[in-house]
Amino acid sequence: GEDVEQSLFLSVREGDSSVINCTYTDSSSTYLYWYKQEPGAGLQLLTYIFSNMDMKQDQRLTVLLNKKDKHLSLRIADTQTGDSAIYFCAESIWGSQGNLIFGKGTKLSVKP
Amino acid sequence: DTEVTQTPKHLVMGMTNKKSLKCEQHMGHRAMYWYKQKAKKPPELMFVYSYEKLSINESVPSRFSPECPNSSLLNLHLHALQPEDSALYLCASRLAAQGGETQYFGPGTRLLVL
Repeated sequence: GEDVEQSLFLSVREGDSSVINCTYTDSSSTYLYWYKQEPGAGLQLLTYIFSNMDMKQDQRLTVLLNKKDKHLSLRIADTQTGDSAIYFCAESIWGSQGNLIFGKGTKLSVKP
Repeated sequence: DTEVTQTPKHLVMGMTNKKSLKCEQHMGHRAMYWYKQKAKKPPELMFVYSYEKLSINESVPSRFSPECPNSSLLNLHLHALQPEDSALYLCASRLAAQGGETQYFGPGTRLLVL
């Protein structure tokens, strides 16, 4: 069945890089997403990657996809206190009407 | 404009009340979604509308009744809810259910059932 796994917590110092990891099980994923959720807010789409790509870079964000190992990562360079939030990895499966399968979320804490 | 709006932002209702949540997008998206999110949990899919027709109902109790009056609007009618229905209700939209890659979320309605 479909399953998306993430570690629950990550703590980094301001200015360091953060790497949030995610594994998924369904090999028919079409797109993989990273969403950010701040306390009391909705989900903000940060970035996404198509399953035939292995890397995507967007300013401070780098997404790496290892399709063989079904492993996705999000690297945030020069992490700031404003990056503190919960980060959800999600996959969209071909033929699934576009509904997303979410991981449990990784809470990123950035210490000054 | 990649905005999905939701009203109200907060809602408190009793178990005998009837209320509605509203979601709107003007991106020309033809797939719209309702998700329920409990504290410290990921969103869970409730309903999917594709071209204004209900295409997925994830075994949601009938006290939740979705409606898609046109391609820009999505409502969720609430009646006789239970305290355990208290949650953040998120609306999302996507260009198409099949083939559109990005799904955008609204800010959510935080619902408290007393």
